[in-house]
Amino acid sequence: DGGITQSPKYLFRKEGQNVTLSCEQNLNHDAMYWYRQDPGQGLRLIYYSQIVNDFQKGDIAEGYSVSREKKESFPLTVTSAQKNPTAFYLCASTRLGGGNQPQHFGDGTRLSIL
Amino acid sequence: GQQLNQSPQSMFIQEGEDVSMNCTSSSIFNTWLWYKQDPGEGPVLLIALYKAGELTSNGRLTAQFGITRKDSFLNISASIPSDVGIYFCAGPSNTGNQFYFGTGTSLTVIP
Repeated sequence: DGGITQSPKYLFRKEGQNVTLSCEQNLNHDAMYWYRQDPGQGLRLIYYSQIVNDFQKGDIAEGYSVSREKKESFPLTVTSAQKNPTAFYLCASTRLGGGNQPQHFGDGTRLSIL
Repeated sequence: GQQLNQSPQSMFIQEGEDVSMNCTSSSIFNTWLWYKQDPGEGPVLLIALYKAGELTSNGRLTAQFGITRKDSFLNISASIPSDVGIYFCAGPSNTGNQFYFGTGTSLTVIP
C-alpha cells in the first residue's frame, strides 16, 4: 500500500545534539512538508519542498534544517540551536495542484529531551 | 502564517448525540479540508470541499463549504466512541504551496 513512513516513532535528544527525523513516501507526490505539533495546539509549518533540491522555510524554521535529494525522501534535522525541540513532528505530502490536492500525513515522530 | 479559528475548542458528549463544529478564516479559501487525528497518530483526511455552498457526506460525517468561502462546518451524527479525537480544518494558501490548519476541536464521547 502507498503511504508516508516516518521513523523513528520516538526519539530522544541530548543537550547540544543534532537529531534527524526520517520521512519517506511512495505516493509519487511532488510536495512534502514538515509540521510541529505541541500539546493542545494546531500544526505549525517548519519547512516544505515542492521539487527535488528545493525547499522553503515555513513559519518556524529556526533551529531546523532539511534536504530533498530524492523525490521520495524529506528528512528533518533538529539542530542544537532549537532550544525547545520537545514536540510531535508530522510529515505530509501532496500532489501539486493549485491547492486542491489534500495533504496526506505520516504517523509522526515524538521527540523528547533527555 | 494564517490561523484558522475552530470552535468549540473541546466537546464532551454522550454516545448517540450529534456533533457540530465550525472553522472560520479571515480570508477566502477555495478549498476546505477536514481531518481527524487519533492520539499519537497523524491526521487522516475525512472530507474535502471544493465549491462554495458544497455539502459533502462521508458516512455519518457531513461537511459544508460556507457561502462566504470564509467558513466551513463539520457535523457528526449519532456519535460513537471511536469518534474520539481531534478534528482539524485546513485550507490552502493563495499560491497553493502550503496549507493553514485550525487549532483543532477535541471530541470526547462518553459511552
